[in-house]
Amino acid sequence: DTEVTQTPKHLVMGMTNKKSLKCEQHMGHRAMYWYKQKAKKPPELMFVYSYEKLSINESVPSRFSPECPNSSLLNLHLHALQPEDSALYLCASSQPTGGSHGYTFGSGTRLTVV
Amino acid sequence: SQQGEEDPQALSIQEGENATMNCSYKTSINNLQWYRQNSGRGLVHLILIRSNEREKHSGRLRVTLDTSKKSSSLLITASRAADTASYFCATSGTASKLTFGTGTRLQVTL
Repeated sequence: DTEVTQTPKHLVMGMTNKKSLKCEQHMGHRAMYWYKQKAKKPPELMFVYSYEKLSINESVPSRFSPECPNSSLLNLHLHALQPEDSALYLCASSQPTGGSHGYTFGSGTRLTVV
Repeated sequence: SQQGEEDPQALSIQEGENATMNCSYKTSINNLQWYRQNSGRGLVHLILIRSNEREKHSGRLRVTLDTSKKSSSLLITASRAADTASYFCATSGTASKLTFGTGTRLQVTL
């Protein structure tokens, strides 16, 4: 069982759709992350939130819009995606000390853009 | 961009054998972590070694770190079929970001 919950587990969306990915953690962590992972590749960092403020944006296209409503929730709003954005999107949380105790990952959302 | 490279890319062994995976990285680090990922699932944190540590054990796992060579190794002893997964090293520097290596796909057969 994971202590970071991601919904939905699977999502199929058209290129004109707007959808959101959700992530929730109740571990008391104050840093949360979005990663994107293509098949047979390592996860790539997209965004970092520390104390509910965006601290790192790894030059992600504006069609991906993160939001951190509170210390337990992290959303990723999707709009006008391209087929190449199809991937596994992973949320993670940690203490905000550079991951000095390891990250906890959710099971991911498998996104397909058609 | 990826911080490090892992080798081998793929490893196939029989149950009961030991599996060794190597990781090399490029810049200075605060710590190095190893994660396991079962097919299409989330990553599970296995072990963390700090930059001032040289070796660490956790159950059947042994991790070494050589900061002078910017390399680490993960040894899984007495492997089991359930150890079949992809294994990633990941480095953490001064910023709050974790950067993953290319990964090793381990197959343990009965």
